[in-house]
Amino acid sequence: SQTIHQWPATLVQPVGSPLSLECTVEGTSNPNLYWYRQAAGRGLQLLFYSVGIGQISSEVPQNLSASRPQDRQFILSSKKLLLSDSGFYLCAWRPGGRAFFGQGTRLTVV
Amino acid sequence: GESVGLHLPTLSVQEGDNSIINCAYSNSASDYFIWYKQESGKGPQFIIDIRSNMDKRQGQRVTVLLNKTVKHLSLQIAATQPGDSAVYFCAENPPRGSARQLTFGSGTQLTVLP
Repeated sequence: SQTIHQWPATLVQPVGSPLSLECTVEGTSNPNLYWYRQAAGRGLQLLFYSVGIGQISSEVPQNLSASRPQDRQFILSSKKLLLSDSGFYLCAWRPGGRAFFGQGTRLTVV
Repeated sequence: GESVGLHLPTLSVQEGDNSIINCAYSNSASDYFIWYKQESGKGPQFIIDIRSNMDKRQGQRVTVLLNKTVKHLSLQIAATQPGDSAVYFCAENPPRGSARQLTFGSGTQLTVLP
């Protein structure tokens, strides 16, 4: 069966520090992968999606970037974090209709 | 831009009662809709989905109703249990060819009272 792993679960980072969140999918090949951000009390905002290695589409201009170095690996990065980057980050993959989510990373920028 | 919105941000129901969570969507061309349940600190989990060629679909204790005329989606939970307490999101899928992916609403916090 397919599973999605996302880590770390929580992260506290100072303003101006770099960020790297990793997401991997098992049990499937060439998945469509997504990064979402969720602010407190809000819905899910799509940040990036990827349909294959090296193919990244950005939905919202921001302080973040994404990379897909391997078929089943999707990385969310920042060179210098801002306070406004705090939030709950979710990785997802979508084999067809529904999306399957990882357990999320709670990022607090201090 | 287009978005999926919810009528009520919070909903409290007595244990054993039925719950109805509503959602308004804005893209009349969307062809697929999903309800997710998100417990605190966790990723959203799939509950039920419905395609635009249907107006009702039933699962285990849950029913989704789709009214395309007024662009309204609802989730009904029968005999609500304490474990149903969570945030519920609806999501719409834009039609084929659109650059947009699944669009999520802001969510409804369901609280089940003892």
